[in-house]
Amino acid sequence: DADVTQTPRNRITKTGKRIMLECSQTKGHDRMYWYRQDPGLGLRLIYYSFDVKDINKGEISDGYSVSRQAQAKFSLSLESAIPNQTALYFCATSLGGESTDTQYFGPGTRLTVL
Amino acid sequence: AQKITQTQPGMFVQEKEAVTLDCTYDTSDPSYGLFWYKQPSSGEMIFLIYQGSYDQQNATEGRYSLNFQKARKSANLVISASQLGDSAMYFCAMREASGNTGKLIFGQGTTLQVKP
Repeated sequence: DADVTQTPRNRITKTGKRIMLECSQTKGHDRMYWYRQDPGLGLRLIYYSFDVKDINKGEISDGYSVSRQAQAKFSLSLESAIPNQTALYFCATSLGGESTDTQYFGPGTRLTVL
Repeated sequence: AQKITQTQPGMFVQEKEAVTLDCTYDTSDPSYGLFWYKQPSSGEMIFLIYQGSYDQQNATEGRYSLNFQKARKSANLVISASQLGDSAMYFCAMREASGNTGKLIFGQGTTLQVKP
C-alpha cells in the first residue's frame, strides 16, 4: 500500500464550487505539505504543516485553505474554485525540516475547474 | 534569492547509453540539500537521489549518480545505462536548512526521452 495517498485522483468541478482534496500518510511523519504543479512552472508550495497545531502559508496560499485533522491527515480546500486553479496538486510528507530530510509525494490530484 | 535552474527543456538518449541532466542552484545558505525527482507520464513524483551541501562524495543510487560541483553550484543527475522506463520528466529541487520551513524549491524540469 502507498505511504502517501490522495483523494480524489481526478476531479472536474465548476467555477464557484467548494472542493476539498484529501491527503493521508502512514509514514508517521510530522510534516506535511501541499504543492501545486502547473505546466512549465515546476511545483510551488501552497501550505505546510509542522504538526497538527502548526500550519503555515506557502508562496501561493491565496484562494486556498487547509486543515490538519490528525498527524496523518492534511486537507486542502478551495472555497470558491476558479479556472486558474486548474492544476496537478501534490501532497508530500517529511520527517522533519532539516535540509537532509526527504519529502515523499502522494500520487497527485488532477483538478480541472471549468 | 533561492533558485533552481534546469536549462534543458528536453533531452533524448539512446537506450543503454548514459545521460546527464543539468541543474544549477543559487543560495546563500551554507547548509542545504539537493534532490532529484522523477515524474513519469502517470504523474507521480518519485524520489531518486539526495546530496547534502556538506557531503564530500557524490551521491549514488543504483544507476543514478549526482555530479555535485559546489563551487560551480551545480548538481547534475547522471543516469547510466538508460532504459525505456527512464523516459519521464526530471526535477531538481533544493531545500535550505535556514528558516526551517522544509520547503522544496523546484526547477522547471527536463523531459527525457529514451530511444530504443
